[in-house]
Amino acid sequence: AQSVAQPEDQVNVAEGNPLTVKCTYSVSGNPYLFWYVQYPNRGLQFLLKYITGDNLVKGSYGFEAEFNKSQTSFHLKKPSALVSDSALYFCAVRGPTYNTDKLIFGTGTRLQVFP
Amino acid sequence: DGGITQSPKYLFRKEGQNVTLSCEQNLNHDAMYWYRQDPGQGLRLIYYSQIVNDFQKGDIAEGYSVSREKKESFPLTVTSAQKNPTAFYLCASSIPPLRQGAGNGELFFGEGSRLTVL
Repeated sequence: AQSVAQPEDQVNVAEGNPLTVKCTYSVSGNPYLFWYVQYPNRGLQFLLKYITGDNLVKGSYGFEAEFNKSQTSFHLKKPSALVSDSALYFCAVRGPTYNTDKLIFGTGTRLQVFP
Repeated sequence: DGGITQSPKYLFRKEGQNVTLSCEQNLNHDAMYWYRQDPGQGLRLIYYSQIVNDFQKGDIAEGYSVSREKKESFPLTVTSAQKNPTAFYLCASSIPPLRQGAGNGELFFGEGSRLTVL
């Protein structure tokens, strides 16, 4: 079955420092992986996706993610964190059948960036 | 502007009452979804629809019902049979359903509806 795991409930980082939010996945077949961000009491916003191609994927707001097949990971990264990056981040994988777009989400990681 | 509109943003309900959450999109997307969000549990799929007049149960469909009479609209009814309905509900849509070997499945979300049962 398709699943993703986000091992950290919260990540704390100082503004200006690099940040990493971790995600590991388990899939049958080729993985279609996504990162979304959620600000308080708002819907989710798409950040980036990995379908195929380069292992380093660049997305919105300066975020990037590295796909690592051997470690089954898809960690979200940013070279220099901003206070405004503080939010809830979700990793997701596409569902088990190829004719649906339904996504399976992780439990989320709260990112707190301190001034 | 194109997007997904959910209403109401906040809703209070007494136990035993049914309530319907509205979701409208003008993105011309074929597929629509309802997710439920609870603290520490991420998002869980309630129902989804890939085409008008058709919908499928997700992982936690019990106590919920949906309809898809129009492409633009996918209302969710939380019935009195739902034992723990207090949650944040998110509607989403996507470009035409993936065909085998094609597409990439990005979801577009509404702003959510927060339901509280008193």
